[in-house]
Formats: sequence, C-alpha cells, structure tokens
Amino acid sequence: NAGVMQNPRHLVRRRGQEARLRCSPMKGHSHVYWYRQLPEEGLKFMVYLQKENIIDESGMPKERFSAEFPKEGPSILRIQQVVRGDSAAYFCASSPLSSGGTDTQYFGPGTRLTVL
Amino acid sequence: QKEVEQNSGPLSVPEGAIASLNCTYSDRVSQSFFWYRQYSGKSPELIMSIYSNGDKEDGRFTAQLNKASQYVSLLIRDSQPSDSATYLCAVKGNAGNNRKLIWGLGTSLAVNP
Repeated sequence: NAGVMQNPRHLVRRRGQEARLRCSPMKGHSHVYWYRQLPEEGLKFMVYLQKENIIDESGMPKERFSAEFPKEGPSILRIQQVVRGDSAAYFCASSPLSSGGTDTQYFGPGTRLTVL
Repeated sequence: QKEVEQNSGPLSVPEGAIASLNCTYSDRVSQSFFWYRQYSGKSPELIMSIYSNGDKEDGRFTAQLNKASQYVSLLIRDSQPSDSATYLCAVKGNAGNNRKLIWGLGTSLAVNP
C-alpha cells in the first residue's frame, strides 16, 4: 500500500512563474490537506479538500494560491506569480473518511520549492 | 498566547535515558492530539495519537493527556541516538469539518551516545 505521494520533490522557479505541486493520497483516503513549512518555522495549515470540494481554505493566502482535488487524479496546489517568500517545504497529508475527529493524517515526502 | 506551545529545546539526554517532551494548548474544545517526529529535511512521521485523558503506551513511547490542564506529553524510554529529531505536537479541534491540525514549533531532541 503506497503512502502519500508528492511530486515534484524539488521545484525551482523564477519570480513571476507558476508553481504546480501534486499530491496523490494514500489508497482509500478521501481527505487531503496541504501544509507549508517555512525555514526555521512551524507547519502551517493551508487548505483541506475532499474530492471536488474545498472544505476549509482558511490558511490559504487570498491571492495567487489555489487548490483543487478533482474527481480523477491528484490534488494540485497552484501558486501563481511566485515570490521569494513562497520558498518553503509544502507537505500534503491524507486521512481516511471516518466519523468524528479521530482520523489520523499521514504525510507525503513534501515538495521543496525554491524561488530564485 | 500561541495555540500550541512547546519548549524549543534543544533537549539533550544520554543514550538509555528517558526523554520527556511537553506540549500545552489553548483551545479547550480540542479533541485529538498527535505527536509527530521530523528528521531534518524530511516530512513529519506519526508517532502517537491520543484522544482520552490518561496514558497511552506504544513500545518505548508513552503519550499522556490531561484535558483539564490542557497538557499533553510524550515520554521516550531507553532513548536511542536514532531518536534525535524534532518532535512536533499537533492538536485538532472538534469533529465535523474542523479537521486541520494546529502545530507547535517543535522540540529538538538530541540523544547522546
């Protein structure tokens, strides 16, 4: 059973370009979460999605950032017109569908974005 | 006040000793609590989850939760050099759509051979 998969593992972009980060959840998991970790800082929640639905995007910057989780294919985190401050590790996590709040989130290896 | 607070460390213990990591949280309605381990340059790896007051043991690890004091801890017995990492405390709120994890900044643990 493959774990959470993310690609690319490393991504280099110049200022103003677009970055697309992909995440495939664990088999059987229907919830996807994106987190960002800036150098020397903690993990910050960005967005929580289920298939074809954004459930909670309270941690997502209002501009330049968007996320989707289509019916088919991976979840995509898209950053338009990247700036140097977007340089960070972006982690995706997934969890199974379960009642209550006891579901556990499992993390992918992350995408390390560097903006030149 | 930060939502989830941890001592940043570094916490240094000799090999074979018990390492004690602490975490406090501010939201009284929090229901789920997690400890993750993160090696430098790697992603967080789940160690323990705990939902009820008391202790939960898994191998060398014991998580302790006290909701009245809004406190959760992780004990690592017989610490090994391979346990050297940053330990992250994460808290989740009520059920329903509030599934996001709120993270502490982590405690750096160094186990000295």
